[in-house]
Amino acid sequence: EPEVTQTPSHQVTQMGQEVILRCVPISNHLYFYWYRQILGQKVEFLVSFYNNEISEKSEIFDDQFSVERPDGSNFTLKIRSTKLEDSAMYFCASRKERGEMNEQFFGPGTRLTVL
Amino acid sequence: GDSVTQMEGPVTLSEEAFLTINCTYTATGYPSLFWYVQYPGEGLQLLLKATKADDKGSNKGFEATYRKETTSFHLEKGSVQVSDSAVYFCALRVNTGGFKTIFGAGTRLFVKA
Repeated sequence: EPEVTQTPSHQVTQMGQEVILRCVPISNHLYFYWYRQILGQKVEFLVSFYNNEISEKSEIFDDQFSVERPDGSNFTLKIRSTKLEDSAMYFCASRKERGEMNEQFFGPGTRLTVL
Repeated sequence: GDSVTQMEGPVTLSEEAFLTINCTYTATGYPSLFWYVQYPGEGLQLLLKATKADDKGSNKGFEATYRKETTSFHLEKGSVQVSDSAVYFCALRVNTGGFKTIFGAGTRLFVKA
């Protein structure tokens, strides 16, 4: 069964450093998402991406964040200058196409720890 | 704006007890509704879903019915097992724009043997 994959599973970085979290969505999917979950809290929407541009973003997704689909398979989330409060689990998700019946599939997550 | 409210946890039950986790939502339009489960140290897994009013989603003995009149999607299971111990998230998906998913705060379930 096809699945969304994410690398690395755990990333540790120093405050102020740039990090890139990588995701490989399911191959024929067209909509891509990033969510985050701060430890013990709810899962929050960050951004959705379609047709090579951001279709929606939350207030969390400020200028420190960017997303990119650099090739036909990867979908990346970059945090330019990490802060302590960026420590969280980051989930990538993908969806095939429009329509209520189309499921959003989540990856296993990348745990980001900012020291 | 759109939101999901679910009962606070943790919920502690004995094995074979009946489980209910309440969930209500606020949304414009007609969202799809979901329950996700997160086992310790793992990611999000879709447990069940319902896409329109009066639909019942079911999986692994869990079920939930999309109630438009009460804007609810309560999760139930007749007989829980220790292996059901996890965090359960109620969620809705807005079927417009970027089709983002909005999650509730999560309810942690502990099942004792």
